[in-house]
Amino acid sequence: QTVVTQEPSLTVSPGGTVTLTCASSTGAVTSNYYSNWFQQKPGQTPRALIYTTSNKHSWTPARFSGSLLGGKAALTLSGVQPEDEAEYYCLLHYGNFWMFGGGTKLTVL
Amino acid sequence: QVQLVQSGAGVKKPGASVMLSCKASGYTFTSYFIHWVRQAPGLGLEWLGTINPGSGGTAYAQSFQDRVTVTRDTPTSTVYMELGSLRSEDTAVYFCAREMSPGHFDYWGQGTLVTVSS
Repeated sequence: QTVVTQEPSLTVSPGGTVTLTCASSTGAVTSNYYSNWFQQKPGQTPRALIYTTSNKHSWTPARFSGSLLGGKAALTLSGVQPEDEAEYYCLLHYGNFWMFGGGTKLTVL
Repeated sequence: QVQLVQSGAGVKKPGASVMLSCKASGYTFTSYFIHWVRQAPGLGLEWLGTINPGSGGTAYAQSFQDRVTVTRDTPTSTVYMELGSLRSEDTAVYFCAREMSPGHFDYWGQGTLVTVSS
């Protein structure tokens, strides 16, 4: 049973920096996992932020960046804004299926 | 502009089936995969399956393998997802999403609510 694990919750101060991670029960996450990151605010559709580990969409704010860190996929927010408070989900590829992490609730306080 | 417009929500009885649709526009339909994702109330996102609209090839999450079928109708640029043997735990908002190139998810449909209740 494959499991993708994210921090359930994180808190960051406005203007601060925070890193969310995404781990796979199968081992180290590499570029082959095509990691994606999505932001979802209450009552809204998920919004794509990062694809294939570190690539940004045209609409992705510059303060968001994706990487691989210590065998995990990572999403770093630098200079956090109040509007970044949301749930963040990672998505990993496993050949013939995909799996989401459980999500990280980011609180900006 | 790229749009994925969903339809087909509603209330279904346990044991019934539901078919949802996802109509694509603003791009070449056969060029990019469409995925189905769901979100139960208060819970996270769950990947259900995908289709290559060009070839019709599909892949499904193992836990839904025997209950879900994804198809496409190329002339209308529409992808369908049928989920059978519904149970209360299938109550969720169902989304379709586009994968523009390997690992490049971008646009999502607006989501449709399926409620399973007797």
